[in-house]
Amino acid sequence: AQSVTQLDSQVPVFEEAPVELRCNYSSSVSVYLFWYVQYPNQGLQLLLKYLSGSTLVESINGFEAEFNKSQTSFHLRKPSVHISDTAEYFCAVSPMHSGTYKYIFGTGTRLKVLA
Amino acid sequence: DAGVIQSPRHEVTEMGQEVTLRCKPISGHNSLFWYRQTMMRGLELLIYFNNNVPIDDSGMPEDRFSAKMPNASFSTLKIQPSEPRDSAVYFCASSSGTGNTEAFFGQGTRLTVV
Repeated sequence: AQSVTQLDSQVPVFEEAPVELRCNYSSSVSVYLFWYVQYPNQGLQLLLKYLSGSTLVESINGFEAEFNKSQTSFHLRKPSVHISDTAEYFCAVSPMHSGTYKYIFGTGTRLKVLA
Repeated sequence: DAGVIQSPRHEVTEMGQEVTLRCKPISGHNSLFWYRQTMMRGLELLIYFNNNVPIDDSGMPEDRFSAKMPNASFSTLKIQPSEPRDSAVYFCASSSGTGNTEAFFGQGTRLTVV
């Protein structure tokens, strides 16, 4: 079985400051890793994903995440946030080679960017 | 493609009534997921289908909940009878079912049971 832990339920940060949203997972098998973003009253949208290869993955809007296998982490970072980044962010895993594919989500982190 | 389409967007119903939520997945996707989102429990996987067959329904809270996928382009989640604690946002998502591609989410149905 898999589980995802996002320890920070809310993260306030000032505009143009850096931010890190933490994600740790537990799994008995290798997993694919995802970060999703949810804006108010909308569904979840994919932000970035790690499948294999380079452990650092980037999104088109300046976010990046690094897969750390030894620490079973996939933290999300942005060097300089904007007001428009205010949203809820979800980390998710999907087991590899399981034959059945499902996505297990963390409880989410609300990022509040302050002017 | 229009993406995953859910209906209705909002539903208000009285306790004890039957509620049916609907989902049309992205054409060509063979996996479909129903999630429930609440402040207390976050995003919970209720059930998922692969090629129209239910694979894992262990997240369905109780017998009042049922889900069907009669064909590749339609799924329903039914609650009968509904209770106030069922109030939540219900999301449907679909994927190509290979695990290394993302799930695409609908806009959700906000259910309020009074």
